[in-house]
Amino acid sequence: EAQVTQNPRYLITVTGKKLTVTCSQNMNHEYMSWYRQDPGLGLRQIYYSMNVEVTDKGDVPEGYKVSRKEKRNFPLILESPSPNQTSLYFCATNPDSSYNEQFFGPGTRLTVL
Amino acid sequence: AQSVAQPEDQVNVAEGNPLTVKCTYSVSGNPYLFWYVQYPNRGLQFLLKYITGDNLVKGSYGFEAEFNKSQTSFHLKKPSALVSDSALYFCAVRGLYDTGFQKLVFGTGTRLLVSP
Repeated sequence: EAQVTQNPRYLITVTGKKLTVTCSQNMNHEYMSWYRQDPGLGLRQIYYSMNVEVTDKGDVPEGYKVSRKEKRNFPLILESPSPNQTSLYFCATNPDSSYNEQFFGPGTRLTVL
Repeated sequence: AQSVAQPEDQVNVAEGNPLTVKCTYSVSGNPYLFWYVQYPNRGLQFLLKYITGDNLVKGSYGFEAEFNKSQTSFHLKKPSALVSDSALYFCAVRGLYDTGFQKLVFGTGTRLLVSP
């Protein structure tokens, strides 16, 4: 079954404690992205990756890091989380850069105290 | 810059009645438009897209959308709503970063509540 998985699904942490949210896809897609979803703001792209070792900033990259060492994985790293990073995070993939259709993971709800 | 607007935070409709969820867009050039749905505790799912061609686009779960270039709108419609259609709906337009790479620009979402 084609899918995008994210772990953990829920996380409560404290300010400054480094965390990683993993994303994995089994569709052999080139393109992967991270979004955050906030009420009244919709989804905003944090980072995207065009292929292994190729990443670039999205619209709201501050406070986040990513890496793409393997095609199937695209972890999101918060080196020093702050309360304003409390949000719902989605990983998404698409076969190429055309964005004709994206496939989304189930989401990770992060709370930073 | 590309943008979409979803003017209604929430739409309420009775089961069996037609529904419309509104979306207007702003792009330079030809628009590539999308609708996604988000059910509780789930990721977004693709419903339909308009790239070119027929102004009425049919998608999943009986949904359709009407592209109107003169009104820069792309409203989502369904002839007969189901309680199970209750969800959060996002309109999106394909945009570009300054680098030239493409992206999806999402609206703020509209919550659809279908009452029995």
